[in-house]
Amino acid sequence: AAGVIQSPRHLIKEKRETATLKCYPIPRHDTVYWYQQGPGQDPQFLISFYEKMQSDKGSIPDRFSAQQFSDYHSELNMSSLELGDSALYFCASTYRATGGVRETQYFGPGTRLLVL
Amino acid sequence: AQSVAQPEDQVNVAEGNPLTVKCTYSVSGNPYLFWYVQYPNRGLQFLLKYITGDNLVKGSYGFEAEFNKSQTSFHLKKPSALVSDSALYFCAVRDIGGQNFVFGPGTRLSVLP
Repeated sequence: AAGVIQSPRHLIKEKRETATLKCYPIPRHDTVYWYQQGPGQDPQFLISFYEKMQSDKGSIPDRFSAQQFSDYHSELNMSSLELGDSALYFCASTYRATGGVRETQYFGPGTRLLVL
Repeated sequence: AQSVAQPEDQVNVAEGNPLTVKCTYSVSGNPYLFWYVQYPNRGLQFLLKYITGDNLVKGSYGFEAEFNKSQTSFHLKKPSALVSDSALYFCAVRDIGGQNFVFGPGTRLSVLP
């Protein structure tokens, strides 16, 4: 079965550069979540989208933005990168429950960002 | 490779009754184990984690989890369920010193009034 795809898997940037992370949800999933996991930290929720609209907002810095496109893939845009942005960025997708359909959140493998 | 299994898609329990959400894991070495909860249309929220020490870990909202090394399990429990506990629960594992954080598929908990 198809899983959540994230690209790139690894990314190295320098301070003050920009980065774009991509997430391709499981086919027919309409909701995407982004999480950030710093070294030795637990995943922290950043932001989510449902049907191309922002659904929920967590601890996403103002330097970051994200959107969901018509094909439901999502991109996390990160500007003015800081050393502290080095982390593993997870994307997860789900089909938002209607009529009692199970709504499991499936996680991608993550993109590891290193800011030098 | 690490893996996490949550054998139940759905758990139904009556309000006031004890609840258990099951999780088993596979990891090389000693694990860090986590439980997260997702309420409808929200992101994941941290509930509790086990790193070392007492096998019974207490977390948020009255939840606790028991680490059982011989059974490689980390079941989530609560003595008395509330309707507001209805949500998706995710078990996760990370190997100590490792880089990978793996989530289970999730279990939907429904607490019936």
